[in-house]
Amino acid sequence: AQSVTQLDSHVSVSEGTPVLLRCNYSSSYSPSLFWYVQHPNKGLQLLLKYTSAATLVKGINGFEAEFKKSETSFHLTKPSAHMSDAAEYFCVVTLNNNDMRFGAGTRLTVKP
Amino acid sequence: DTGVSQDPRHKITKRGQNVTFRCDPISEHNRLYWYRQTLGQGPEFLTYFQNEAQLEKSRLLSDRFSAERPKGSFSTLEIQRTEQGDSAMYLCASSVTSGFDNEQFFGPGTRLTVL
Repeated sequence: AQSVTQLDSHVSVSEGTPVLLRCNYSSSYSPSLFWYVQHPNKGLQLLLKYTSAATLVKGINGFEAEFKKSETSFHLTKPSAHMSDAAEYFCVVTLNNNDMRFGAGTRLTVKP
Repeated sequence: DTGVSQDPRHKITKRGQNVTFRCDPISEHNRLYWYRQTLGQGPEFLTYFQNEAQLEKSRLLSDRFSAERPKGSFSTLEIQRTEQGDSAMYLCASSVTSGFDNEQFFGPGTRLTVL
């Protein structure tokens, strides 16, 4: 069985401070992992993905995530938040080319 | 705009009516996916196509739900005898060939409200 858990439903940071959005997964196989972002009234957009290459993955807009197999985690980070980062973020796990599971999402609020 | 498009963007219907949604993928993408997203939740995978072949449909929510992609281009998702619990955002995505490892490009969604 596979599943993905986003540990925080809502994260609030001040502009210019670091962002950490946490994701844990469970999988019987080697997973592929993704982070997608959803801005209001816009379609989901891929931020980054891990597919068994480098464990530290760099994405768009300064985001990165580290795959830690021992901790079954794939946390998303950014050194300095920008107002435009305010959105809903989804951690996603996929395997076996036949299924894709989204986490429940983390809403990121950025305060001026 | 060459992204994924969905029509309509909003649909309000009465319980018991049938509804059909359309998705136009990015033209060179031969994979097409349907998801449902309810309030406060992440998208839930429903089904997908490789060209015109529907390769996975066990995740469709009930036999009231069906999807087609007759010519391997646009796709339709139909819900028969709608129920209030069907109210949700229905998302379509497309990708290039093989594997869920490839980036999926999402459309803006169709918001369904069942009264």
